[in-house]
Amino acid sequence: AQTVTQSQPEMSVQEAETVTLSCTYDTSESDYYLFWYKQPPSRQMILVIRQEAYKQQNATENRFSVNFQKAAKSFSLKISDSQLGDAAMYFCAYRSRDTGANSKLTFGKGITLSVRP
Amino acid sequence: DGGITQSPKYLFRKEGQNVTLSCEQNLNHDAMYWYRQDPGQGLRLIYYSQIVNDFQKGDIAEGYSVSREKKESFPLTVTSAQKNPTAFYLCASKQGGAEAFFGQGTRLTVV
Repeated sequence: AQTVTQSQPEMSVQEAETVTLSCTYDTSESDYYLFWYKQPPSRQMILVIRQEAYKQQNATENRFSVNFQKAAKSFSLKISDSQLGDAAMYFCAYRSRDTGANSKLTFGKGITLSVRP
Repeated sequence: DGGITQSPKYLFRKEGQNVTLSCEQNLNHDAMYWYRQDPGQGLRLIYYSQIVNDFQKGDIAEGYSVSREKKESFPLTVTSAQKNPTAFYLCASKQGGAEAFFGQGTRLTVV
């Protein structure tokens, strides 16, 4: 079974600075997806960024980028130029590329990010 | 607008009662999922369904039941057998290899 580990329960960053959120995972599969989801106080889950394991290039979405290290099974999220609206809980998630019974998302326990003005 | 609607937003259950949480999607997605969120636990999978009239247990299915009679609907019943039902419940849907979309959640409290 796949597992996702987020070892830091909380982090804080100064507005306009850069912060990196860590995530590791364990799988025996070679092809899969990795995601970062944001959950603000409204509790709506919002997709931040997605990485496909077969792609060597790290995904980027505006101020958000990932450092995907497949051999190390590491998937960290970097937030540049942090804004007050980035304050939220962030979840790392794994999903098999299989579209059948293994297509469920497996989540880490999440990290609470606070942004200091 | 397409999306996933969960209702109600807040739900209160008395001891020994069954309650049903609603999840409706108009995205024409085949797959639907129910997750439970507790503080410090992340999201844990309760049940999921790949197609109509078929569903599978997730990691914490005990005390819950579901049905999938229509493509757009995937209600979750929290039965009296669930000993600690107070939690935040999230429904999601997905089509093929695309990312999952989530509803806004239902907060269930036992009173």
